[in-house]
Amino acid sequence: EIVLTQSPATLSLSPGERATLSCRASQSVSRSLAWYQQKPGQAPRLLIYDASNRASGIPARFSGSGSGTDFSLTISSLEPEDFAVYYCQQGSNWPHTFGGGTKAEI
Amino acid sequence: QVQLVESGGGVVQPGGSLRLSCEVSGLIFTNHGMHWVRQAPGKGLEWVAFVRSDGSETYYVDSVKGRFTISRDISKNILYLQMSSLRAEDTAIYFCAKDKGVQYFDVWGRGTLVTVSS
Repeated sequence: EIVLTQSPATLSLSPGERATLSCRASQSVSRSLAWYQQKPGQAPRLLIYDASNRASGIPARFSGSGSGTDFSLTISSLEPEDFAVYYCQQGSNWPHTFGGGTKAEI
Repeated sequence: QVQLVESGGGVVQPGGSLRLSCEVSGLIFTNHGMHWVRQAPGKGLEWVAFVRSDGSETYYVDSVKGRFTISRDISKNILYLQMSSLRAEDTAIYFCAKDKGVQYFDVWGRGTLVTVSS
C-alpha cells in the first residue's frame, strides 16, 4: 500500500499568513492526489483533486501543486475559518490511503 | 443538493455484527460509486470500502476483508455496510462518501459512531 507522509504535523500561524503543507508518497501516484479539510465534529471537505484542481465552491486562496511523490497545499492568506486539520489522499492505487494530517493552528 | 445521511451505529460487543446504512438523496444513485471511510476517535482517516456505480466491483481495505460487505439497495437509494466479527480496532466514526472519478470523495455524510466494547 502507498504510504503518505504529511509535514509538518502542526503548523502554527496567524491570520493573513501564508501556509504551505507538504505530502510525500512512498511511490509515485502521478497526479492522483487530493486534499481535504476537516474541522472538529465535522466531516472532511474536498478542497483539491488531481493535485491542483479546486473542488466546487473552494476559494481561490487554496491551491495545490506537485506530481509523482511530492505535493503541496498552499493557503495564500489564512482566514480564521481555515484553522483546521488537512489530509492528503491518493486515489492512484487500491487501497486508497490518507496521510496522517497537518493541523493548522493559531 | 446531494445529501448523505448515515445511521445504524451503536455499541456492540467484540465478535458481534452491525449494519450501517447511508440514505442518499439528490443524485442518481446508479451513476455514482460510493465509499465508506472511517475515523477512529482522535485519529486520522481510513478508507474502508468502495462499490462501483453499476455494482460490478467492490474493494476493501485488507483489515476488513472477509468481515465487512458493502452493498446497495437501488430501489431505496441506500448504501449499506454489513460488519461482522467486529474488533475493538473497528471503533470509529463511519462516513459514507460519494465517489469522484473512482479516486476521491467529494460529498460526505456526517457519520455514525460504532463502538466495539464489552
